Amino acid sequence: EVQLLESGGGLVQRGGSLRLSCAAPDFIVRGNYIHWVRQAPGKGLEWVAVFYGDGGTDFADSVKGRFTIQRDSSENTLYLQMEDLRADDTAMYYCARGVLNYFDLWGQGSLVSVSS
Amino acid sequence: AIRMTQSPSSLSASTGDRVTITCRATQDLKFRLAWYQQSPGKAPKLLIYATSSLPSGVPSRFSGSGSGTDFSLTISRLQSEDFGTYFCQQYYSNPLTFGGGTRVDMK
Repeated sequence: EVQLLESGGGLVQRGGSLRLSCAAPDFIVRGNYIHWVRQAPGKGLEWVAVFYGDGGTDFADSVKGRFTIQRDSSENTLYLQMEDLRADDTAMYYCARGVLNYFDLWGQGSLVSVSS
Repeated sequence: AIRMTQSPSSLSASTGDRVTITCRATQDLKFRLAWYQQSPGKAPKLLIYATSSLPSGVPSRFSGSGSGTDFSLTISRLQSEDFGTYFCQQYYSNPLTFGGGTRVDMK
């Protein structure tokens, strides 16, 4: 069964913005971290960002300054806000639970396509 | 960043075969190495963590070994549901990084 539920993907123009959602029950998230990992079409996996339980965040250099993470505790939802999108941001984006920073639970993925 | 190199990048095998995939890191990972399986159109699934530990529900035909910078994933007897792509991942230091993947398809 899916325990991390993603939404918000779509087609956006270069330079545009998009917000992805990752809904996760509190018992899934508690004591762990939530990461975002992306996969460009036909390519491998790339770590993008992490949300720590205390509210801290960290980002890959490739998205630093353009992506942010917010949390809505009341809805048990995390949001990956993506700004100034580029063609090489085109990918399937997964949220995943990190246990000591390996990923034991994954969402189904949300596709982001950036057109030039 | 730690670079992860997997080999081979692809292989063809038959059901019942023994398959081994290797992963090499550019520095000592202190056993912080995980493996994932990805079927087409699906999210990755955790197969092994801490080099050799299997999560609950992962069949015992999967095993992992290694230390330092060199690691391997072995499937003792390949089953039809094992065809797909396998990735290693280091979680010793940020940024977290993955190997390029090994595609396992039917011979």
